[in-house]
Amino acid sequence: GAVVSQHPSWVICKSGTSVKIECRSLDFQATTMFWYRQFPKQSLMLMATSNEGSKATYEQGVEKDKFLINHASLTLSTLTVTSAHPEDSSFYICSATGDSGLGTQYFGPGTRLLVL
Amino acid sequence: GIQVEQSPPDLILQEGANSTLRCNFSDSVNNLQWFHQNPWGQLINLFYIPSGTKQNGRLSATTVATERYSLLYISSSQTTDSGVYFCAGSYGGSQGNLIFGKGTKLSVKP
Repeated sequence: GAVVSQHPSWVICKSGTSVKIECRSLDFQATTMFWYRQFPKQSLMLMATSNEGSKATYEQGVEKDKFLINHASLTLSTLTVTSAHPEDSSFYICSATGDSGLGTQYFGPGTRLLVL
Repeated sequence: GIQVEQSPPDLILQEGANSTLRCNFSDSVNNLQWFHQNPWGQLINLFYIPSGTKQNGRLSATTVATERYSLLYISSSQTTDSGVYFCAGSYGGSQGNLIFGKGTKLSVKP
């Protein structure tokens, strides 16, 4: 149980385009989802926390207009990188928890974004 | 903010060896977890261990919350154990916002 999927697993796009990444909890209802970013050989950095039906809470330094997050249902959250630039290239990982943010977080397999 | 320090940063083992990975926190944490990130980037939950000791096969973990550290033990290591091991915890009112350490990169040689 507790499976989280992400789609797409990797994407290559041209600078200036927008990219949408989906995060789904497959076998549980995720009251809270989290979005992380990981640069090569570095740790995970939390970008934002989203709760179903409410606006996401962004970490300091993360542009909310750049990284649009929507948590439309208890099983789906999306991250849209708007007007992507090469510096947005990274590994984006989502996680989900069904305990209102408490307890174990289950992570998706990640999405590798390369902006040319 | 809270600091999460992991040691050692890199570890090379011969198959069959045992190892101990350490995670120190600068402040009290909640929701302490250990993860293994495989070479493809997938984070795999190993333990949710805010306190006490747990064991799962060749792996076990101990958290001493009062002393702000946690240990991950790997016994009889296998090549498939290779990857990066992260510990993470949340603190204060941020119950779900995990702060990750920089990880321990483990390489198990055959």
